[in-house]
Amino acid sequence: QKEVEQNSGPLSVPEGAIASLNCTYSDRGSQSFFWYRQYSGKSPELIMSIYSNGDKEDGRFTAQLNKASQYVSLLIRDSQPSDSATYLCAGTGTASKLTFGTGTRLQVTL
Amino acid sequence: ETGVTQTPRHLVMGMTNKKSLKCEQHLGHNAMYWYKQSAKKPLELMFVYNFKEQTENNSVPSRFSPECPNSSHLFLHLHTLQPEDSALYLCASSSQVGGYEQYFGPGTRLTVT
Repeated sequence: QKEVEQNSGPLSVPEGAIASLNCTYSDRGSQSFFWYRQYSGKSPELIMSIYSNGDKEDGRFTAQLNKASQYVSLLIRDSQPSDSATYLCAGTGTASKLTFGTGTRLQVTL
Repeated sequence: ETGVTQTPRHLVMGMTNKKSLKCEQHLGHNAMYWYKQSAKKPLELMFVYNFKEQTENNSVPSRFSPECPNSSHLFLHLHTLQPEDSALYLCASSSQVGGYEQYFGPGTRLTVT
């Protein structure tokens, strides 16, 4: 079982719609979770961090964490073509090591 | 310079060459990391340094040799690499090891011929 799992996609959404990206994790001891955006050929860029259950909003981005169900999600409102990228979910488990999923490729279509 | 910088950005080397990757962070962080990113695979943690002391070696072959002279600089020395070592090598830093936000450099695209 992978420690952090994501659907590889591609997830295709029309411009202006809400993109919903999901991630599940296996380590119940995980405390900190992060979403990174990675454009093709570029390095990961941190866009959201979340540490407690519930929602955290930052501009068009909302991260959601449910520790009981062991999932993390990222909502992108009013999706733009510039949001097209691969989104990496990462969590810090009991070993205090950041573990990444394989990423979900998002395509925002005109 | 701001954030995390890496040089070179691209590197092509033969299997018998010796080369080094350099990383520098300008964030005042105490922890630095090397990751390997290959196509279709998740980011693989290679090494962790905390206050310039190595705290983790994730079963990395000895042909990769890290060096951390201080909390701001990190090197990855490469020798007798294999073609399967071709990948994007990323450096990252965080304020401390553990559940803290990590910031990545632009990476070095390595091709081993």
